[in-house]
Amino acid sequence: AQTVTQSQPEMSVQEAETVTLSCTYDTSESDYYLFWYKQPPSRQMILVIRQEAYKQQNATENRFSVNFQKAAKSFSLKISDSQLGDAAMYFCAYRSLSGNTGKLIFGQGTTLQVKP
Amino acid sequence: DTEVTQTPKHLVMGMTNKKSLKCEQHMGHRAMYWYKQKAKKPPELMFVYSYEKLSINESVPSRFSPECPNSSLLNLHLHALQPEDSALYLCASSQGRQPNQPQHFGDGTRLSIL
Repeated sequence: AQTVTQSQPEMSVQEAETVTLSCTYDTSESDYYLFWYKQPPSRQMILVIRQEAYKQQNATENRFSVNFQKAAKSFSLKISDSQLGDAAMYFCAYRSLSGNTGKLIFGQGTTLQVKP
Repeated sequence: DTEVTQTPKHLVMGMTNKKSLKCEQHMGHRAMYWYKQKAKKPPELMFVYSYEKLSINESVPSRFSPECPNSSLLNLHLHALQPEDSALYLCASSQGRQPNQPQHFGDGTRLSIL
């Protein structure tokens, strides 16, 4: 069974600086998808970025980028030029290609505080 | 603004009440999901509907009864709930169940059981 681990329950960053959130996962599969979701206090889970395992190039979405290390099973999220609106709980998630269930396996989450 | 609309936003009910949660999307998505989320925890999958048919039930107690009347609408009927069922209930939809099709979430319904 696949598992996702986020080892940092809480992180903080100064506004305009850069922060990296860690995520590791365990799987025996060679192809899969990885996601980062953001959940602000408003509650809605928002997709931040996604990575396809067979693509070596790291995904980037504006200020958000990932460092995907497939051999190490690591998928960290870098937020550049942090803004107050980035404060939220961030979840790393894994999605298998097998079974086509649509099931997301989430990590325990990291709460990010952005200090003005 | 969210493209997945959930109502009500808050619900307080007694253990003997019957209530329903509603989820609606108009993106043409054919897969819809119910999740339960406790505070400071990740969402836990409850049900998956694909093309209006129940495809996954994650061993959810029968006091939770899902219904998908059409491709845009997903309901969760609640009856005889327990205090431990108090949580945020999130609905999500995706174009299909393929892994490259991300799930879009609603704002959730905050449920409190007295």
